[in-house]
Amino acid sequence: AQKVTQAQTEISVVEKEDVTLDCVYETRDTTYYLFWYKQPPSGELVFLIRRNSFDEQNEISGRYSWNFQKSTSSFNFTITASQVVDSAVYFCALTVMDSNYQLIWGAGTKLIIKP
Amino acid sequence: ETGVTQSPTHLIKTRGQQVTLRCSSQSGHNTVSWYQQALGQGPQFIFQYYREEENGRGNFPPRFSGLQFPNYSSELNVNALELDDSALYLCASSEPPASEQYFGPGTRLTVT
Repeated sequence: AQKVTQAQTEISVVEKEDVTLDCVYETRDTTYYLFWYKQPPSGELVFLIRRNSFDEQNEISGRYSWNFQKSTSSFNFTITASQVVDSAVYFCALTVMDSNYQLIWGAGTKLIIKP
Repeated sequence: ETGVTQSPTHLIKTRGQQVTLRCSSQSGHNTVSWYQQALGQGPQFIFQYYREEENGRGNFPPRFSGLQFPNYSSELNVNALELDDSALYLCASSEPPASEQYFGPGTRLTVT
């Protein structure tokens, strides 16, 4: 069975600080995809990144960066120089072929950026 | 390019009633997935439709049913509503099923 764990329920930092959101996943499949989504107070889930299991290269997109490590089954998300607009709930998710690619979600991390 | 749209935005129903939620997929997407998100929790997979066929189902009872039309829009039907069905219902489209899913704004259902 697949599982995604986001151990941090809530994180609060002051604007301009760097913050890392942790994601640990479990699967026996060798082919899988990992995702991060952002859910602002408006409620709509916003896609941030998709990573397949064969690509461990880290990715940077502006202030966002992702660290994928298969050895520790982790896919962590870092926001550099955080801004108030980054305040949201962030979800990590996993999908595998055997589950018809349904998304398995973590419980989410609520990120609060204080001005 | 038109994104995923859902209707209605909000809905209030009474226990025992039936409800239909609608979703229009993003242009070019042939896969629609439905999720239920209770307050303060992550989304839970209900089912997925790929080219008008059900392509997977989560742990939801049969009173949750769906449909996908030739234009790939989709409906979620819930019969015999229960108080615990109160949640945000999210629709997502993708192509193919393994690619990133793009979500609509959701329908907030309240059952009283």
